[in-house]
Amino acid sequence: DAGITQSPRHKVTETGTPVTLRCHQTENHRYMYWYRQDPGHGLRLIHYSYGVKDTDKGEVSDGYSVSRSKTEDFLLTLESATSSQTSVYFCAISVVGLNTEAFFGQGTRLTVV
Amino acid sequence: QKEVEQDPGPLSVPEGAIVSLNCTYSNSAFQYFMWYRQYSRKGPELLMYTYSSGNKEDGRFTAQVDKSSKYISLFIRDSQPSDSATYLCAMSARTGTASKLTFGTGTRLQVTL
Repeated sequence: DAGITQSPRHKVTETGTPVTLRCHQTENHRYMYWYRQDPGHGLRLIHYSYGVKDTDKGEVSDGYSVSRSKTEDFLLTLESATSSQTSVYFCAISVVGLNTEAFFGQGTRLTVV
Repeated sequence: QKEVEQDPGPLSVPEGAIVSLNCTYSNSAFQYFMWYRQYSRKGPELLMYTYSSGNKEDGRFTAQVDKSSKYISLFIRDSQPSDSATYLCAMSARTGTASKLTFGTGTRLQVTL
């Protein structure tokens, strides 16, 4: 499972509240990603990181921010949750290089009510 | 039009059948191709990874890339009920910050006894 742990696994939150999802990896891989998965859209990249404090936006980054203060942790924050952010969020790492084959965590199912 | 197209299925086959799963794409710069398997409520699991054109075999799985037709396939021989899952294709143009993984929306496969 590439040593990736996502927490929480499930969360229900109210519109307008901030939410932080955590991704923890045990193998010190440099490249980490946050994706969301929605029916009809597949997996879409939110943000990615190529090192401590080095992050960049993906294709659906509006309303999200990330931080990576340690190699092993990559945090995704929904600054003010909206119903459109109800989704399944996946953290991933890649071993060989940026945007090469990715290995995924088990996902966080987020519902915004 | 999406960069990567994948029939959502469901595709239902009897146990032991040969399964063919396909993706078409429009970006001629894609040269890294991946297949993922995703069980319900789980993260995607990398099955196959190929670079450029040609075939790659791993056990019961064969990945095929035809860049001239912009078409990739995953064949599953002697299909088993445990192969029932959603299969995602993914591809990228090259590694690094100028590229990203683009996913198909997935094909749901059911292998029946």
